[in-house]
Amino acid sequence: NAGVMQNPRHLVRRRGQEARLRCSPMKGHSHVYWYRQLPEEGLKFMVYLQKENIIDESGMPKERFSAEFPKEGPSILRIQQVVRGDSAAYFCASSPGSAISRETQYFGPGTRLLVL
Amino acid sequence: GESVGLHLPTLSVQEGDNSIINCAYSNSASDYFIWYKQESGKGPQFIIDIRSNMDKRQGQRVTVLLNKTVKHLSLQIAATQPGDSAVYFCAEGDGNKLVFGAGTILRVKS
Repeated sequence: NAGVMQNPRHLVRRRGQEARLRCSPMKGHSHVYWYRQLPEEGLKFMVYLQKENIIDESGMPKERFSAEFPKEGPSILRIQQVVRGDSAAYFCASSPGSAISRETQYFGPGTRLLVL
Repeated sequence: GESVGLHLPTLSVQEGDNSIINCAYSNSASDYFIWYKQESGKGPQFIIDIRSNMDKRQGQRVTVLLNKTVKHLSLQIAATQPGDSAVYFCAEGDGNKLVFGAGTILRVKS
């Protein structure tokens, strides 16, 4: 039973380019969460999605960031016109349901984005 | 609570000793808490969780204690092993998301 898959594991972009981060949830999980982690800090929530729906994007920056979870395929976190401050580790988590107190979130290995 | 700061607290223990990692949370309405372990270059790994209707829960070599009165959570690791060396995060459930604490580095000395 494969865990949460993320790719690429490492991504280098120059300022102004676009970054696309992909996440495939665990089998049987239909809820996906994206978090960002800066060095020596805890993870910070960005967005929560179900298939074809954004449920909570309260942690997403207002500009340049978008996320989707299409009916088929992985969830995508897209960062347009990247800046150096976007350099971080981006983690995806999945759960089978949405009730936070009943459904544990399992994390992928993360994508480490470096903006030059 | 929210994670802040550039320098994580560090706990150094001798192999075989017990470890206690502490965490303070901010939201008295939180009803779900989780401990995660994160090794270098990897994603957080679920260790154990606890709901607010409990004050103690045990797993394999780990125990989580919840004190709602002072909004404090602790993780106890029995007979700490070198493989336990990692950063440990507590997290509290807040609606649809998890709110992570700042983390504690656990170093196990052989």
